[in-house]
Amino acid sequence: EPEVTQTPSHQVTQMGQEVILRCVPISNHLYFYWYRQILGQKVEFLVSFYNNEISEKSEIFDDQFSVERPDGSNFTLKIRSTKLEDSAMYFCASKQNTEAFFGQGTRLTVV
Amino acid sequence: KQEVTQIPAALSVPEGENLVLNCSFTDSAIYNLQWFRQDPGKGLTSLLLIQSSQREQTSGRLNASLDKSSGRSTLYIAASQPGDSATYLCAAVSLNAGNNRKLIWGLGTSLAVNP
Repeated sequence: EPEVTQTPSHQVTQMGQEVILRCVPISNHLYFYWYRQILGQKVEFLVSFYNNEISEKSEIFDDQFSVERPDGSNFTLKIRSTKLEDSAMYFCASKQNTEAFFGQGTRLTVV
Repeated sequence: KQEVTQIPAALSVPEGENLVLNCSFTDSAIYNLQWFRQDPGKGLTSLLLIQSSQREQTSGRLNASLDKSSGRSTLYIAASQPGDSATYLCAAVSLNAGNNRKLIWGLGTSLAVNP
């Protein structure tokens, strides 16, 4: 069964460093998303991507964040200069029409 | 602005019980509603999706209902098993969310099924 895959599963980084979180969405899907979940809090929308461009982004998704779909299969989230408060579980999702499918997440720990 | 609330926050039941998890949403103009399961420290597994035109969906021992007029959805789990222990999340997509149709999430109900 097709699935969304994310790498790495866990990343520890020092404050101020750049990180790139990688996702491979399901191949025939058209809409791509990043969400995050800070420990103990709700899952929050970060950004949606469709037709090779951002279609919506939340207030969280400031200039430190960017997304790319560089090669038609990968979908990446870059955080340029990480802060302690960026520590969270980051989920990638994709969908074709209605149902969103999620990856297993990347746990980002900023120290 | 859509807000999603889940009650109770935590639930502990003996094995074999039937149980109901509740989800409420403030904007009844929803496109669909999805129920997910999350194991501790793990990803999000989609359980059931209910379209706005549907009243319920069933998968095995799970049944999800949707009442748009009252802004509620319930997830019914029949004959609960210890393996059902997890956090159950409800997420709604609003009709006026544009084409990207992002999910708005509840905080979840943490379920423990005791053998």
